[in-house]
Order: sequence, then C-alpha cells, then structure tokens
Amino acid sequence: KNEVEQSPQNLTAQEGEFITINCSYSVGISALHWLQQHPGGGIVSLFMLSSGKKKHGRLIATINIQEKHSSLHITASHPRDSAVYICAASGGGADGLTFGKGTHLIIQP
Amino acid sequence: DTGVSQDPRHKITKRGQNVTFRCDPISEHNRLYWYRQTLGQGPEFLTYFQNEAQLEKSRLLSDRFSAERPKGSFSTLEIQRTEQGDSAMYLCASEIGRYSTDTQYFGPGTRLTVL
Repeated sequence: KNEVEQSPQNLTAQEGEFITINCSYSVGISALHWLQQHPGGGIVSLFMLSSGKKKHGRLIATINIQEKHSSLHITASHPRDSAVYICAASGGGADGLTFGKGTHLIIQP
Repeated sequence: DTGVSQDPRHKITKRGQNVTFRCDPISEHNRLYWYRQTLGQGPEFLTYFQNEAQLEKSRLLSDRFSAERPKGSFSTLEIQRTEQGDSAMYLCASEIGRYSTDTQYFGPGTRLTVL
C-alpha cells in the first residue's frame, strides 16, 4: 500500500514569500498529482507529473522519481493562494488516487 | 466549475436513514471515482467505474454502501442505515480514461451530516 506524506501540515507566510510544500511516497507510482482545495470542498487539479518539472504561472511542481519525492513551489505568494494543497499518487498498485493529508496554507497580506 | 456536478451539496439526516447522492461527470469521461473526506484528512478512495462497470471497491465501502453507474453516465452512491461515522464530504471525480493516468476533475462534493 502506498503511503503519501506531506509537509508541513500547516504553513503561514507573508505575502510575497516563496512557498515550498513537500510530498513523499513509499512505492513506485505512475503519476503524482498536486491539487488545491478551497473552503467548501471544491478540489482543482493543479498539476499531474511523472517526471521532471512543470510550471503554470507562479506555481512550479517538481518530482524526483528516484527519491520518491515531489515539491510544489509558489513564487510571489498572494493571499488568494490561501488554500489546502494536497498531493496524491496514482498507480502504485492502487485504484484511484492515494492522497496525502494536505497542507493548509495561509498567506497574510 | 470543473464540469462535474454533484447533488445535493449538503445533506443532513438522522441515524438509520438511507441517503442517495448523485454525480454527473464530464460527458465524454469514461472513468468515475467516488472518494470520502473527513475533517482535516485527505480524501480516501471508495470505488470507481469504467463506463458502467464497477471495477474496484475499497474496504472502506461496507455492505451498507452501494454505487451504480447505469449506462455509463451519471452515478449514484447510496448509504443505507446511516451511522454517525458516515458523516463526511463525499467527492466524485471523473477522467477521460483513455490513458493509464489522466487528470481527474472533481465535483464540489456532497457534505453529509448524520445526527
């Protein structure tokens, strides 16, 4: 069974700061997903990656397959980035996604 | 709006009652997933469909839970004889299903409260 661990669980930062959220998983996977969840429950897929690095606006996601580790970076953070960020693994012997517990990010103005 | 809808958005019920939730996926998506999320936790996989076939069920899905996807379109999740421990957000997601790994698109969820 794949275990997906995220750190930190909670993160409070000032507007403009560079944010890093980390994710590690225990078994080989076919892809790693980064998701954003706002209060009220809606989940939006940010990235799906199986190697290397992807960038979308101020968001960057990287994955190191050998180390079974992924990071999500937010540059020039803004209060509207405040949300729960969840990493999830697909494959690894499981159907559906295996989720981490999420990182609750608060960006203060 | 991801294109995946769920109904109802909120449901309050008394212990022992039956409830049914509906999910309408993006129309051309073959795969449909149900997840459950409790407060402060990440979602957990419950079951998924490839078209109308239910291919996998988690051990979290007790005999009181049943899911269907008739004609491979919308899906329903029914919980019989609800218990307080069933209180959670129930999330539905769909994906094209053309490849082994696709982006999943999530619905807004149905928040169930069992009194």
